Amino acid sequence: DTAVSQTPKYLVTQMGNDKSIKCEQNLGHDTMYWYKQDSKKFLKIMFSYNNKELIINETVPNRFSPKSPDKAHLNLHINSLELGDSAVYFCASEDPRMNTEAFFGQGTRLTVV
Amino acid sequence: ILNVEQSPQSLHVQEGDSTNFTCSFPSSNFYALHWYRWETAKSPEALFVMTLNGDEKKKGRISATLNTKEGYSYLYIKGSQPEDSATYLCAFKEAGDKIIFGKGTRLHILP
Repeated sequence: DTAVSQTPKYLVTQMGNDKSIKCEQNLGHDTMYWYKQDSKKFLKIMFSYNNKELIINETVPNRFSPKSPDKAHLNLHINSLELGDSAVYFCASEDPRMNTEAFFGQGTRLTVV
Repeated sequence: ILNVEQSPQSLHVQEGDSTNFTCSFPSSNFYALHWYRWETAKSPEALFVMTLNGDEKKKGRISATLNTKEGYSYLYIKGSQPEDSATYLCAFKEAGDKIIFGKGTRLHILP
């Protein structure tokens, strides 16, 4: 069983489209994150959700919106996609009450053409 | 703004040599320091979770130390092998708060 799973693994879409990336974790964790791997391969945090409440929103364009239907899911919606949105996006989860590591999904490579 | 710095950014090491790199983090309000290993086209995987000042952890040829008072952690790799080539990320965590990742050290093992 995959602890944190993201779908799709690859996404190619045209500029201006709206798309979603799904993330699910079966670890019972309270906190989920979305990270973007930028062009320099650095990992930057985009959002964090704790018990369905947004607790972090770094300086991310409001075209990006996280949606959490329940504790096990944190989906990333992107409106009006731009070329610069092309990147690899990683989902992760952790239990902040426990001193354990974060678990990452396999990443979604988004290509905007 | 919390700053987690890793150095060097990139490192080339001859196979068989030992190496180490650094993670610097805020020394106040410390909760945990994580080390992750991130191979190309894969997701980051945890190596160590360190919580106490003076902690030393070891996994095979890889070990890490922690100094929370001065805000740094070292990762050591003994007898580097080609499979050690990866990006090594450290992440700092305040109590009950988000994880902040450093930019990573990219390690290249030369045959």
